Parts: sequence; structure tokens; C-alpha cells
Amino acid sequence: EPEVTQTPSHQVTQMGQEVILRCVPISNHLYFYWYRQILGQKVEFLVSFYNNEISEKSEIFDDQFSVERPDGSNFTLKIRSTKLEDSAMYFCASSLGQQETQYFGPGTRLLVL
Amino acid sequence: AQSVTQLDSQVPVFEEAPVELRCNYSSSVSVYLFWYVQYPNQGLQLLLKYLSGSTLVESINGFEAEFNKSQTSFHLRKPSVHISDTAEYFCAVSEVGSGYNKLIFGAGTRLAVHP
Repeated sequence: EPEVTQTPSHQVTQMGQEVILRCVPISNHLYFYWYRQILGQKVEFLVSFYNNEISEKSEIFDDQFSVERPDGSNFTLKIRSTKLEDSAMYFCASSLGQQETQYFGPGTRLLVL
Repeated sequence: AQSVTQLDSQVPVFEEAPVELRCNYSSSVSVYLFWYVQYPNQGLQLLLKYLSGSTLVESINGFEAEFNKSQTSFHLRKPSVHISDTAEYFCAVSEVGSGYNKLIFGAGTRLAVHP
């Protein structure tokens, strides 16, 4: 069964460093999403992406964040200058259509020191 | 804006006992409703969803949830749980007709099934 994959599974970085989290969505899906979950808190929507542009973003998704689909298979989340409060589990998801089921990856646990 | 409340952060239960995980939502517009499950060290998996039609929806592994519009609830139930049901369960909503299907999640309920 096709699945969403994410790399790395864990990443530790120093405050102020740039990180890129990578996702490979399900191959025929057209809509892509990033969510995050700070330890002990809710899963929060960050951004949705369709047709090579951001379609919606939350207030969390400020100028430090960017997303990109650099080729036909990868979907990346970049944090330019990490802060301690960016430490969280980051989930990528994809769906075939607008109102279709979102399939989630296993997540990347980011720790900012 | 929508919000989702899961009233129980943890639910311990013995194997073969029934369980109910509660979910209430708040929204000024119609919503779709979802339950996702997260097994240890895995991603979120869709368990079941309500989009329209019958208010009772079922999953393939024995869970069911009922949409109650008047009580704005979507509680998840299983008549007899197994050890393998131990996981975190998340209730989520998305706005009907919204362009891009953003999910709003509850805080999650950790179900611990004991032998």
C-alpha cells in the first residue's frame, strides 16, 4: 500500500541553524500539508500546498518557514533560523483531492538546542 | 473558527471491555469529522470519517462513531477492545466547502488496554 515517507526520523540542531525536513507524498496525490505537534500539545496545521503554491497557511507559518516541491516526488519544509520553540514532531500529509482523506507520514522529531 | 475538545487525555481499560472516547467540536459552519489513530512510533492513520449520510460510521477493526449534530459530538466507541488497540486517538474536523481541507485536531486521548 502506498504511504507517505519522511526523512530524517529525528533531527537535532542548534538554535539559529537552518533545517530542511523532507517528505515524499503518495505519488498520485495533488495536495500536500505540513502539521506539527509540540510535545504534549495538539497537532497543529502549518500549511497546505497545491499546484506549486501555498494555498493556505496558519499564523504559525511565518517568514522563517518555507515549503517547496523541488521535483516531482519530494515536498520539503525549511526553517531558516530555528528557535527553541520550533522543537516538535513535524508531520507531512498528502491527499488526492481537496476533500479527500489526508494520509500522514510517520513524522520527523526536531529538537532545537 | 473551529475547535475540537477531547475530554479525556488518558483512558485505561481492561481487554475485552467496552470503551468510549469522547469528542466535541465547536464550529459556526458545517464540518466533516475524523478519527485518526497513532500507534507507537508511527504516523497518524485515518480510522473513520463522517462526511454526510448515515450518522453512524464504522471502521474495519470494530470501532464506530456517531455524529450528533445537536450535541456537536463525534464519540468513538468499541464494544470489546484488544491489547493491540493501545494507541493515541485524535479527533479532527475540517470545514465543509473550505478550499484545502485543513484539519483541526483535538489534543488526543491515550487509550491503554491492559490484560
